[in-house]
This record gives sequence, C-alpha cells and structure tokens, in this order.
Amino acid sequence: AQKITQTQPGMFVQEKEAVTLDCTYDTSDQSYGLFWYKQPSSGEMIFLIYQGSYDEQNATEGRYSLNFQKARKSANLVISASQLGDSAMYFCAMREEGFYGNNRLAFGKGNQVVVIP
Amino acid sequence: DTAVSQTPKYLVTQMGNDKSIKCEQNLGHDTMYWYKQDSKKFLKIMFSYNNKELIINETVPNRFSPKSPDKAHLNLHINSLELGDSAVYFCAAAAGGFGKQFFGPGTRLTVL
Repeated sequence: AQKITQTQPGMFVQEKEAVTLDCTYDTSDQSYGLFWYKQPSSGEMIFLIYQGSYDEQNATEGRYSLNFQKARKSANLVISASQLGDSAMYFCAMREEGFYGNNRLAFGKGNQVVVIP
Repeated sequence: DTAVSQTPKYLVTQMGNDKSIKCEQNLGHDTMYWYKQDSKKFLKIMFSYNNKELIINETVPNRFSPKSPDKAHLNLHINSLELGDSAVYFCAAAAGGFGKQFFGPGTRLTVL
C-alpha cells in the first residue's frame, strides 16, 4: 500500500508567488518523521525541511514551511516567493521508525514544479 | 566539502558485466543507505547499514551486494548486470538512523 501520496500534476507557478505542494501519508506509528526533498534537473536530492510527528509547531526553513495537519495526515510544503531556481521535482517522504538503524524513507512519486518569469 | 560523495557519477556498461559504485560520507554519521530511483523517478530503499552492520535488506536480487568497510563508506557491487538495473542509485547518510538523511549526488547507471 502506498504510504505517501502526492497527486498533483505538474504545476506552473509565477515567479514571486507562493506555491503549496500537497502530501498525505499513511501510518499507524505514533513516532515518525516527514521530509521534503528537492530534485532539480541536475539530479541531486536536496534536503529542504523536516517535521517530527511530536513537533507541535510547523517547521520552517527560510522560504519553506511545512503545513502539518496530524489528524488529516497531511504534510504540505509551502514555498513562498517562488524563484526561477525553485523549478524542480519535489518529493515528500516519511521516515518509518524501526529499531535503531532500521529507519528508512518511503517516498511519494513527486511533484514537478516549473516557475515562470 | 561534499558531505556525501559517490563515484562514478555516470556508469555505462554492457549486460552481464560486474560493476561497483562507491559512496563516502564525511558527516560522521553511523547509518548509510542505498536507494534506487527508476525511470519514473520513484525512489525506493535497497539497503541500510548501521556501524558497518547490514540492517535493511529490501527485496533486492542477490546480484546486488553492499559492502561497508568502515562507517564512512558504503559501496554497492552489482554482478551480471541486466537492462532493468538501469537507474539512478543514491547513497545517503543519517545520524543514528533517526536523523535527517543527506543524499549523495547519485550515480546514473545505464546498462546496454
């Protein structure tokens, strides 16, 4: 069963506008972590932001913020003031916590974002 | 300084060959991973090592054999390469298995 769902098709966003990328997850664990990664066309995976399941505040990292709604099991990424360099594929991931060291990331299928001037 | 590095970045080879991908991290983390990204960009875990010990071994053909000579290195050896092995392989490192996972630049493997 898919644990991370990202269903939005490719998105076009105007430069300087905000964009929200949807992510829903499925888990029965109480302790888990949620991540967003950016993959530009050059191919590397860039860590953007992290939210722990027990964190009460929504995570923020510069222009990135994570809208965490635990009851809805959603962890949407908000990018404020989009820049041309934000054009990339964005992946939501959930860390499934097992015993020490046995932690893995389950990824969604990604959202393609294109920022237009 | 690159936190997680992989070599080579590109690897083109013939079916049936054996090849290795190397990964090194200078973060001092004790958990390392291999992920595979297929042609549809889907990422899936293959292996994880904690302090040189194999922790996660997903349903991966036994032609794939990871080796961790020390905490800073996790190499991936692939025997008898097949067309379906063509993908991008990412190495990642995390602190204690619970920390944020930082990825290497990826190795694009093309099997002809």
